[in-house]
Amino acid sequence: DSGVTQTPKHLITATGQRVTLRCSPRSGDLSVYWYQQSLDQGLQFLIQYYNGEERAKGNILERFSAQQFPDLHSELNLSSLELGDSALYFCASSQSWGLYYGYTFGSGTRLTVV
Amino acid sequence: AQKVTQAQTEISVVEKEDVTLDCVYETRDTTYYLFWYKQPPSGELVFLIRRNSFDEQNEISGRYSWNFQKSTSSFNFTITASQVVDSAVYFCALTYVETSGSRLTFGEGTQLTVNP
Repeated sequence: DSGVTQTPKHLITATGQRVTLRCSPRSGDLSVYWYQQSLDQGLQFLIQYYNGEERAKGNILERFSAQQFPDLHSELNLSSLELGDSALYFCASSQSWGLYYGYTFGSGTRLTVV
Repeated sequence: AQKVTQAQTEISVVEKEDVTLDCVYETRDTTYYLFWYKQPPSGELVFLIRRNSFDEQNEISGRYSWNFQKSTSSFNFTITASQVVDSAVYFCALTYVETSGSRLTFGEGTQLTVNP
């Protein structure tokens, strides 16, 4: 157990729907990162939050949004889902942000859009 | 721009063979960290090693060893006497720090299959 908890582990939904993925970071970690792993795009960075604030943004679609709550858990919201959104979504956490901090990954949420 | 290249998409070996996974990176930063992660069939990302750009000493951990060469921007990973349990996708990654945030940039991964 890495200490980073992602729920649910699996999610199957239909095109056009909206889903929410949840991540609880490791105790003491203030930064949360979201990554998408699809077959054709590899592991892509989506977004980073630090202590409730958005700090870095990658190639995140406008249909996707995220937030980090005061208790430091984070949610990734995916809306108007398309077949191509089917992927493994990882959350990672770190103590802070920057060069000197390692990353701990959760076990991922596998999203299947049908 | 940051980039990590793992040119080997798939490697297949027979158990007990040694295998080296290549990783070449591009960065304009003078200080950076490099990582290797393992993704077994179960899907989770397992951390293997983190190495900073100032430490070019090779590292060995059991059957695993890493060769970091700044001159060639490479951070290669060798598994000695491979085992079936080593079958997984292996990712090399590089830190990227912005003004107020950071992330990892991953390579495309190398699928390693170790056959009995």
